[in-house]
Amino acid sequence: GDSVTQTEGQVALSEEDFLTIHCNYSASGYPALFWYVQYPGEGPQFLFRASRDKEKGSSRGFEATYDKGTTSFHLRKASVQESDSAVYYCAFYDTNAYKVIFGKGTHLHVLP
Amino acid sequence: EAAVTQSPRNKVAVTGGKVTLSCNQTNNHNNMYWYRQDTGHGLRLIHYSYGAGSTEKGDIPDGYKASRPSQENFSLILELATPSQTSVYFCASGGDWGQDTQYFGPGTRLLVL
Repeated sequence: GDSVTQTEGQVALSEEDFLTIHCNYSASGYPALFWYVQYPGEGPQFLFRASRDKEKGSSRGFEATYDKGTTSFHLRKASVQESDSAVYYCAFYDTNAYKVIFGKGTHLHVLP
Repeated sequence: EAAVTQSPRNKVAVTGGKVTLSCNQTNNHNNMYWYRQDTGHGLRLIHYSYGAGSTEKGDIPDGYKASRPSQENFSLILELATPSQTSVYFCASGGDWGQDTQYFGPGTRLLVL
């Protein structure tokens, strides 16, 4: 069935480290892909999206490239800051059911 | 500014009691959603709606009902609350065809004793 797999449940880094959070999806069709971020005490918020193969989405220094061949949309940032500590959700839009399929989230802890 | 608001923000209920969580959106989106969030499970879809008068079952609908009386309002109803329904609940709007980004409210923290 349709699903999103985020490999890392928790990631701990120091400031200025490079970040990669892995995301793979299983979907019928050609869905739009998303990253959402959730800061403590808040609801998830849209970070960016990509809707076609090889398209790069980006925001606030984070980026991910839609790879239809490997069904992946890995999140990367070159230099993380303590303020990036949050939960990150990978997701795709199910065009058949008009709903978003979310991964289980990756909790990023950035130490000063 | 377009927004999704939820009330109450915090709720303590007793087992067997009725709980209603309310959501209002000013985004003029057709679709609205209710999720619960628990450690280790991420966001799980309970019910959603394509527009006023419609409700659809999500992935974990058991023990919950939903009501969409208008474009702006979407309620989640726990007729007989149980401790297993202790969680944080999020409402979202969006996810329409042509507007697939979802916009979330701030959440309601529910404790069922």
